[in-house]
Amino acid sequence: GDSVTQMEGPVTLSEEAFLTINCTYTATGYPSLFWYVQYPGEGLQLLLKATKADDKGSNKGFEATYRKETTSFHLEKGSVQVSDSAVYFCARTSNAGGTSYGKLTFGQGTILTVHP
Amino acid sequence: DGGITQSPKYLFRKEGQNVTLSCEQNLNHDAMYWYRQDPGQGLRLIYYSQIVNDFQKGDIAEGYSVSREKKESFPLTVTSAQKNPTAFYLCASNFPNGGADTQYFGPGTRLTVL
Repeated sequence: GDSVTQMEGPVTLSEEAFLTINCTYTATGYPSLFWYVQYPGEGLQLLLKATKADDKGSNKGFEATYRKETTSFHLEKGSVQVSDSAVYFCARTSNAGGTSYGKLTFGQGTILTVHP
Repeated sequence: DGGITQSPKYLFRKEGQNVTLSCEQNLNHDAMYWYRQDPGQGLRLIYYSQIVNDFQKGDIAEGYSVSREKKESFPLTVTSAQKNPTAFYLCASNFPNGGADTQYFGPGTRLTVL
């Protein structure tokens, strides 16, 4: 079935450091891929997305490229800030049709803490 | 402003009681979803609905029930049959046309069983 695997956390960085959070997905079908961010005590917000191979999603300095050959969608940011501290979730659309349209499968989340 | 609202933000329940969590959206989305989030874990799908008066079980539906009588509303009832209901519950919605349809999330309800 569909699955998403994220690198284990937590990740702790100093301000202005480079960030990478790895994400791989099962190679079934042609999913769309997403990164969501969750700040403490809140719901999830869409950070960026990509709908087909080689697409690059970007937002707020974060980037991720849809790599079909490696089934990956790694999240990167060149210089993190304290305000980036949050939980990051990678997700893919369901490969099944019918009533599964619109469903997402999430990774387990990666906690990022950025220190001044 | 368009969006998804969940209420209440915090909810306390005694063991053996049923409790209903509210989710309302004014985005005109067809599909709505309920997730459960536990510390250190990802989101697990409880129930989802793609159209009014229809809904499907997700991965962890046991002990939960839903209804979808109106397009904008998708309440979740946590019944006494749910053995470990303490968790953070998230509601989401989207247009499920099979493409890259982003799910939009509400702010969540934290349920604690006393």
